Amino acid sequence: GAGVSQTPSNKVTEKGKYVELRCDPISGHTALYWYRQSLGQGPEFLIYFQGTGAADDSGLPNDRFFAVRPEGSVSTLKIQRTERGDSAVYLCASSSPTVNYGYTFGSGTRLTVV
Amino acid sequence: QKEVEQNSGPLSVPEGAIASLNCTYSDRGSQSFFWYRQYSGKSPELIMFIYSNGDKEDGRFTAQLNKASQYVSLLIRDSQPSDSATYLCAVEDSWGKLQFGAGTQVVVTP
Repeated sequence: GAGVSQTPSNKVTEKGKYVELRCDPISGHTALYWYRQSLGQGPEFLIYFQGTGAADDSGLPNDRFFAVRPEGSVSTLKIQRTERGDSAVYLCASSSPTVNYGYTFGSGTRLTVV
Repeated sequence: QKEVEQNSGPLSVPEGAIASLNCTYSDRGSQSFFWYRQYSGKSPELIMFIYSNGDKEDGRFTAQLNKASQYVSLLIRDSQPSDSATYLCAVEDSWGKLQFGAGTQVVVTP
């Protein structure tokens, strides 16, 4: 597609529920990144895919967070047993094979856990 | 110590003046540096990248890099009200991903 697409744009869920956030990167971009941004903070790295595999998942805060990219295109970030502290904007970005020209971000998913 | 440090602001700049934003980083192995602009409620948008020491100009924006001092800056000339936003400094770390600073809020006053 022309840009990075994220769905849903907003998600309100109850504490303890499971959520899935979807990212559709720019066509041909092999690298895909998930970041989380809290109010007043910069984006915080979560996980990075190169193709289908997670090249770096060091930013996932705990085992409630998991992400997949089974066909090397669309990615899903999965959060189990959501907590109020998970509330944030979840940003997805993609880049061409190297990061040399920076990332293109999607519009984000605003997750609110109540 | 955070890997990428920026002054949080807000930086108030009169319309038509130069806005100067600073960023320091801790990873000496970093080779690529980026500036993103983020309007309130929107996602970050890439405005500049720089790899070599010195200055790089693009329109009203100039990025400056000093790897020895681990310092990156962004100058915005002839600031306009539409430049009011948060500016994020991002540094490619040794593992090939971007680390972001917390951002500097710029407010251009007419």
